[in-house]
Parts: sequence; C-alpha cells; structure tokens
Amino acid sequence: DAKTTQPTSMDCAEGRAANLPCNHSTISGNEYVYWYRQIHSQGPQYIIHGLKNNETNEMASLIITEDRKSSTLILPHATLRDTAVYYCIDHTDKLIFGTGTRLQVFP
Amino acid sequence: GAVVSQHPSWVICKSGTSVKIECRSLDFQATTMFWYRQFPKQSLMLMATSNEGSKATYEQGVEKDKFLINHASLTLSTLTVTSAHPEDSSFYICSARDPRTGETQYFGPGTRLLVL
Repeated sequence: DAKTTQPTSMDCAEGRAANLPCNHSTISGNEYVYWYRQIHSQGPQYIIHGLKNNETNEMASLIITEDRKSSTLILPHATLRDTAVYYCIDHTDKLIFGTGTRLQVFP
Repeated sequence: GAVVSQHPSWVICKSGTSVKIECRSLDFQATTMFWYRQFPKQSLMLMATSNEGSKATYEQGVEKDKFLINHASLTLSTLTVTSAHPEDSSFYICSARDPRTGETQYFGPGTRLLVL
C-alpha cells in the first residue's frame, strides 16, 4: 500500500502557482521523495525528486520540511497542460503509487 | 529525461489468445524494468520487477504463469499475457530505471489491451 497521503483534488487558475501538498508520515531515512504526474491515458511523467534539501528543475520546485514528514510540489506558473493526476511517492527500490491529487487548471 | 517506448500502443484480441507487449529503453541500458497495470479510474498497480538475465519478481497476487516476463537484453523487456480473458483488459505500463540518474524510473506511454 502507498505510504503517502494527498488531497484528492485541487483547482488552480492558469498562470498562478500550483502548490500540491503531500504527507510522508512514515518515510524512512533512506527513502527519497519522488513526484510524478499522469496526464489522461498516458504513462506517468517524472517531475522531480529529493532527499532532504529543496530542489528545483525546469518543471517544478520541491520543498521538503526539515522533519521530512511533508513535502510540497510547486508549479510556478500553471498552464492548462499541467492538468493531470500528481503522485508523491516515498521511494526505495520500487514505486508504489497512491491515489494522487487530481489538479485541474482552469482558464 | 530518458526515453522508454512500448509496442503496441493498443491491442484487441480474442479471449484465450496470448498477447506480447514490448518495453524498450531507447537511449540508455536498463538492468531493471517494471511492469504496472491500471484499471479505469484507479491508480497504477505494480505487477512485477524485471531484472536483466534473471527471473522476474512478482508482486503478491500476480500470477507468474499468466503474466510471463522476459528481460533478455539491457534495452528490452517483454510482458506476455497468456490465455487472455476479458478481465485482463487494462492499461499496461512499463518503466525502466536509468542508472545514470540513480533510482529514477522513466515510464513508457502504455499499452491498452482489450480482450473480447
């Protein structure tokens, strides 16, 4: 079973920042925080990952709290194409997907 | 990111026949690949871990004799659904672990199987 918990759905206006939270209540010291998203009828797309420090790449930023019990994925300027289901995963040797957050970006 | 392909993208078959799905890592060598299944409105479920040159490791509840996995090269893993039945109709997705980026898995586009 998935170890993380996420809100079922969120809305975001186009052009605004989308902040997607995730709780990692049972994360262990050697588990990375991974974020993927799945656009309808496609395979999941890797977004970003981190261990302790905050991370940023061309797609998003990842904020991990100091106790590592929660993280936030930030899409700085959401577009309609960012509408998808977003998954956060505590990762060691395999990915176990939860139900994710369905993000709807509206015009 | 790394590129993973799947073939075919969709397939329709008659009940009782076998279907083979290919998963390829196009720009990297993958010693480990994974197979997932996704039913409508549900999340991805890990079926098995495919290791190059050795037997696959199946998750609990997945029938190894029904879902045959072969990982004969560093760029190809195949999933064969044997004696398919309508309840096997699903979206099958593979991923490959890119050794250049540690544990990061990259996913294929998926194969939609419909068994009539």
